[in-house]
Amino acid sequence: QKEVEQDPGPLSVPEGAIVSLNCTYSNSAFQYFMWYRQYSRKGPELLMYTYSSGNKEDGRFTAQVDKSSKYISLFIRDSQPSDSATYLCATADNYGQNFVFGPGTRLSVLP
Amino acid sequence: NAGVTQTPKFQVLKTGQSMTLQCAQDMNHNSMYWYRQDPGMGLRLIYYSASEGTTDKGEVPNGYNVSRLNKREFSLRLESAAPSQTSVYFCASSEAQGASDTQYFGPGTRLTVL
Repeated sequence: QKEVEQDPGPLSVPEGAIVSLNCTYSNSAFQYFMWYRQYSRKGPELLMYTYSSGNKEDGRFTAQVDKSSKYISLFIRDSQPSDSATYLCATADNYGQNFVFGPGTRLSVLP
Repeated sequence: NAGVTQTPKFQVLKTGQSMTLQCAQDMNHNSMYWYRQDPGMGLRLIYYSASEGTTDKGEVPNGYNVSRLNKREFSLRLESAAPSQTSVYFCASSEAQGASDTQYFGPGTRLTVL
């Protein structure tokens, strides 16, 4: 079993839709949870990170962590064509060790 | 302020050839990383350098060596390339080696080994 799993997609949605992207992880030692966005042929860039359980909001993006079910979510409101990218979740323990990336979900937002 | 730069952008090697991938950052970061990205596998850590003068193995170090030349530069060497090393290689840097320290990634090097 991979430590971090994601549905690879592709996921296609119409412009303006609410997008839900999800990851599951297996190691209960993970405390930090990150979401990266990667445009085609570019390096990943950090969107946001959360520590432990709970929600974090940044503009149109909301990250949610449920440690009891080992489930990580990223919600995108009012999705735009410019949100079309691959979204990678990542996890790490308290010491920044065991930084593990999921394989990514490819999202297409259609105008 | 260029961030993280990588050279070359593309490379084709024959099995058994050697090459060095170069990475430099201008953000005065202490920690630097080398990852490979393969379809369906996500990013996997090859080596990292928590600070100048130190290097440590990551998840998939076999077949690679690294050098932290100075605070700015961190190179990755393939001594005898194999087709299994065909991948996209990303260098990243962060202020420190903590999960809350944002990693900034370079644009990647696309390597094909024939």
